[in-house]
Amino acid sequence: SQQGEEDPQALSIQEGENATMNCSYKTSINNLQWYRQNSGRGLVHLILIRSNEREKHSGRLRVTLDTSKKSSSLLITASRAADTASYFCATDAQLKGEKLTFGTGTRLTIIP
Amino acid sequence: EPEVTQTPSHQVTQMGQEVILRCVPISNHLYFYWYRQILGQKVEFLVSFYNNEISEKSEIFDDQFSVERPDGSNFTLKIRSTKLEDSAMYFCASSSYDRSTTDTQYFGPGTRLTVL
Repeated sequence: SQQGEEDPQALSIQEGENATMNCSYKTSINNLQWYRQNSGRGLVHLILIRSNEREKHSGRLRVTLDTSKKSSSLLITASRAADTASYFCATDAQLKGEKLTFGTGTRLTIIP
Repeated sequence: EPEVTQTPSHQVTQMGQEVILRCVPISNHLYFYWYRQILGQKVEFLVSFYNNEISEKSEIFDDQFSVERPDGSNFTLKIRSTKLEDSAMYFCASSSYDRSTTDTQYFGPGTRLTVL
């Protein structure tokens, strides 16, 4: 079994629409983070949500966390062509400095 | 804004050769990490480093791999004898020790290693 599975694996939407990506995980977590990766490039940190938080906003991003279901969602509102990228969730367990376990990612394509 | 940097951006090497990938973490960070991503696959943890020693390592991080903090700014990953399957993007990351800040790990742009 794998910690961190995103769905859908790929998502194509029209510019201006909202995009929702989901992430499920299997073990208890301390934090859940979302990262963006443009093709062949580095990982850009988007947002971190702690296990005792349920929702967090940052600009056009909204992240929810349901620890009872071991799942999180990332909502990007009013999508833009520049949002085209792969999005990954990553979890860490308990300790400060803990390794991140990444999901498989959602490939988001925004159609102009 | 401070950022993690990595050099080189692309390294091509022959199988069996040694490579050293270099990283400069964010200056006030004390936790350092290496991850790798084989093309088309998920990002995988290799090793974490704190207080001049390895905190944790994955099964991937075998005897062919080593890490070092040779001075106050650099953090290196050495692969002693590269194999074809070591071809991947290698990411360095760092995070702060400060308990008042978040546990965000900041990633560098990566080094693409190609083993021929």
